[in-house]
Formats: sequence, structure tokens, C-alpha cells
Amino acid sequence: ELKVEQNPLFLSMQEGKNYTIYCNYSTTSDRLYWYRQDPGKSLESLFVLLSNGAVKQEGRLMASLDTKARLSTLHITAAVHDLSATYFCALRNAGGTSYGKLTFGQGTILTVHP
Amino acid sequence: ETGVTQTPRHLVMGMTNKKSLKCEQHLGHNAMYWYKQSAKKPLELMFVYSLEERVENNSVPSRFSPECPNSSHLFLHLHTLQPEDSALYLCASSRGQGASGYGYTFGSGTRLTVV
Repeated sequence: ELKVEQNPLFLSMQEGKNYTIYCNYSTTSDRLYWYRQDPGKSLESLFVLLSNGAVKQEGRLMASLDTKARLSTLHITAAVHDLSATYFCALRNAGGTSYGKLTFGQGTILTVHP
Repeated sequence: ETGVTQTPRHLVMGMTNKKSLKCEQHLGHNAMYWYKQSAKKPLELMFVYSLEERVENNSVPSRFSPECPNSSHLFLHLHTLQPEDSALYLCASSRGQGASGYGYTFGSGTRLTVV
């Protein structure tokens, strides 16, 4: 069974600082996703990482994937208040299903303050 | 709008009521999902429909009853709910195993309160 663990679960950051969210997973998967959720809102896709060593960047967020370590990181550079949200990683179960079921981590609640 | 539309956005219902949540997508996706998101808990997968057939039911109580009449619509029928069923219910769709895109597309959710 695929298990996905994120840490930290809560992250309070000062504006302008850098930090990293970690996503560990238990079994082989061929796709890893990062999502963002604002309070009371839906989940918005940020990145999809397909292969070992993949790196994607969008603004102040950068995601990377190490399939050998079964680890993905979401790095935040020079945080701003607008980045305050809950961030989820999710992996596609490599079970041969036709519908690409995802397993989600617990989510990391990020708060950026002045 | 994300391409997946959920209605209503908010719902307050008594424990003896019957109501339905609706989800609609016109993205050409062939799989649809119901998730429950409670405070301080991870996203819980409830049901999966692939090509209009229910393929997963993750030990969800029978007071939740899904229906997928066609590939664009998904319903969650609710009856005799409990206060602990209060949560955000999210619908999602996906193109399936071969997709290289962004996994799921989520709707905005229905915030359900059971009183």
C-alpha cells in the first residue's frame, strides 16, 4: 500500500525567508504532484514530476523529485504572504488501474507573516 | 472556475434530511472521484468512478450513496447523516492512467454542515 508523509505539517515562516517542505513515499510511483489549497477553497495543481531528478519552478516555488530516495521537496524562496496556504503532495498508485488513482499526503499548512 | 463544477457550495441539513451533491465536468475526463476533507484530517477518498462504473468504495457508510449517470456528472446522495459527516466534500476528475498532465482537476467543493 502506498503511503505518503509530509513534513512539517505546520510551517510558520517570516516573509523573505527560505524553507523546504518534504514529501516521503513508501513504494514506487511514476508521477508525483504538488497541489495548493487556500482556506475553504479547492485544490489547485502546481507541479507534476515524472522522473528522477525532475525539477520544476514557478515563481518562488521549486519542486524536485528523487525517486531513489522516494522523496520530493517543495522549496520556497523569499516567502511572501500570498504563499500562505496548505500544500499537498500526491502520488499516482502504480497499480495498473485505468483511472490513475492518487494518494495524498496529510498536507502542510504554511503561514507567512511579516 | 476549474472546469469541474460542484453545487451547492454550502449545505446545511438536519440528520433526518435527504439531499444530493452534484458534480459536473466537461473536460472529457473518464474518471471521477468523491473526497471528504475534514478539519485536521487528510483527504479521504470515498468513491471512484471510471467510465461510469464504480471501481472503488473505500468503506464508506451506506448513508452516502454515489451515482454516475454519465461521464460528465457525478452525484452524492445523502440521507440520515451524523454531525461527524460535516466536512468539505470535493469532487475531482481525471483523464486516467495515460495522462501526463496535472493529475486531478478538483471542483470548488461543497461545505456540508449537519445539524
